Amino acid sequence: DIQMTQSPSSLSASVGDRVTISCQASQDIDNHLSWYQQKPGKAPKLLIYDAFNLKTGVPSRFRGSGSGTDFTFTISSLQPEDIATYYCRQSDNFPYTFGQGTQLEIK
Amino acid sequence: EEQLVESGGTLVLPGRSLRLSCTASGFSFGDYAMTWVRQAPGKGLEWVGLIRSKTFDGTTELAASVKGRFTISRDDSKSIAYLQMNSLKTEDTAVYLCGRDLVAVSEGRYYYYGMDVWGQGTTVIVSS
Repeated sequence: DIQMTQSPSSLSASVGDRVTISCQASQDIDNHLSWYQQKPGKAPKLLIYDAFNLKTGVPSRFRGSGSGTDFTFTISSLQPEDIATYYCRQSDNFPYTFGQGTQLEIK
Repeated sequence: EEQLVESGGTLVLPGRSLRLSCTASGFSFGDYAMTWVRQAPGKGLEWVGLIRSKTFDGTTELAASVKGRFTISRDDSKSIAYLQMNSLKTEDTAVYLCGRDLVAVSEGRYYYYGMDVWGQGTTVIVSS
């Protein structure tokens, strides 16, 4: 199975900060990676697919990059409504797997 | 509005069976793969399995942790995906969510690139 190592597990930042989350795959997954945002008590929401494609309607401050084994998710200017847990998911090989999640808090 | 609603979650004894439903509305259910994900209390998302659309044979994939105990099926006439859970263990306790998974074709192979519609989940508690 492909292991997805996501870091950090938690992150505290101030409004307006640039925030970066990493996701590393245990083997090459091409660009078959998506990013999700989950707010407390809510279902996850798809933000980015194929590593860097922004889902329609998602604010442009969210950005994804990377290919192969190393991927990055960035919020260019953190907003209060971005407080959530973020997950990556690989969809290159079954079983698909999620990263462990990054809990983002406001400092 | 495109919507998914899970149901069927409850308190169940270890070793027993349970069937969850994921009912879709607002889109052509039969055209899409459906994925089940679970989230244990205070934990992250765990991919459980997927059922392809009939266009892609309607076959299923399952995580190792549930293979041999769980099965996924679908009834396109009712717009419902099912998760049949047998031989339940305490570690199966979780919120179970279903999602629509989008397919793409790249370099002669296809893959599911994102879950763009999710239900709110149904809670399964396995306990004696």
